[in-house]
Amino acid sequence: GQNIDQPTEMTATEGAIVQINCTYQTSGFNGLFWYQQHAGEAPTFLSYNVLDGLEEKGRFSSFLSRSKGYSYLLLKELQMKDSASYLCAVENDYKLSFGAGTTVTVRA
Amino acid sequence: GAVVSQHPSRVICKSGTSVKIECRSLDFQATTMFWYRQFPKQSLMLMATSNEGSKATYEQGVEKDKFLINHASLTLSTLTVTSAHPEDSSFYICSASGLAGSNTGELFFGEGSRLTVL
Repeated sequence: GQNIDQPTEMTATEGAIVQINCTYQTSGFNGLFWYQQHAGEAPTFLSYNVLDGLEEKGRFSSFLSRSKGYSYLLLKELQMKDSASYLCAVENDYKLSFGAGTTVTVRA
Repeated sequence: GAVVSQHPSRVICKSGTSVKIECRSLDFQATTMFWYRQFPKQSLMLMATSNEGSKATYEQGVEKDKFLINHASLTLSTLTVTSAHPEDSSFYICSASGLAGSNTGELFFGEGSRLTVL
C-alpha cells in the first residue's frame, strides 16, 4: 500500500521561508513530485526528485532522502500568490499516489 | 510546456443522467492518460489509467461500469459518468504522459471538470 504524510496546514509571513515535509512508505518508488494547487484549479508541476539531494529551481527547492522515505519542499521569499495547497506525490509503476496536501497561507 | 485541455470545466446534471468529460493533449501524443477524482479538501485519488487502443485499468474500488473510459486516439480520452448520483459530485482531473509513464519528470494536468449532480 501507499502511505504519504504531510502536514495539513502551515502559515507564514510574506518574505519568509517555509518548509513542507513529506514522509512516505510505499510499495515501490520511481520518483517524488511536488505540485502546487490553487483552490478549484488543477495541480501544476513544481519539482521532481529521483536521486537523493537537493534540487533548486528559483524560489522553490526540493530535497529527497530515499533511505529515510523523506522529502521536503522549501519555499523562499514567500509571496501572497504562494498561498495554495502543496501536494507531495510518489511515483510507482508509472502511477502517482498523492498525499493529502498542505495548505500554506501567506500573511502580509 | 505541453498542454492538456479538459472539457467541460463545469457541469451540473440531474441524478440518473450520464455525463461525458473529454481530455485532450493539444501538442503531443499521449500514450497514457490518467483520471483522478478529488473531493473537497482531499487529495487526488487515481481512478484509472487509460492506454490508447486498449482497455483502461481501474484502481481498486472504482466501478468500471459506472466510470467508462475510452482512449480512442493518441490525443483524446473520455470519461463518462453513467447514471450519476449526488455522491459522484466531485472535481475530476485528467493528466497525460507522452511516454510510458512520467519518467520525464513531469505529468501534464487538464484544467479539471467540476461535476455537480442534483
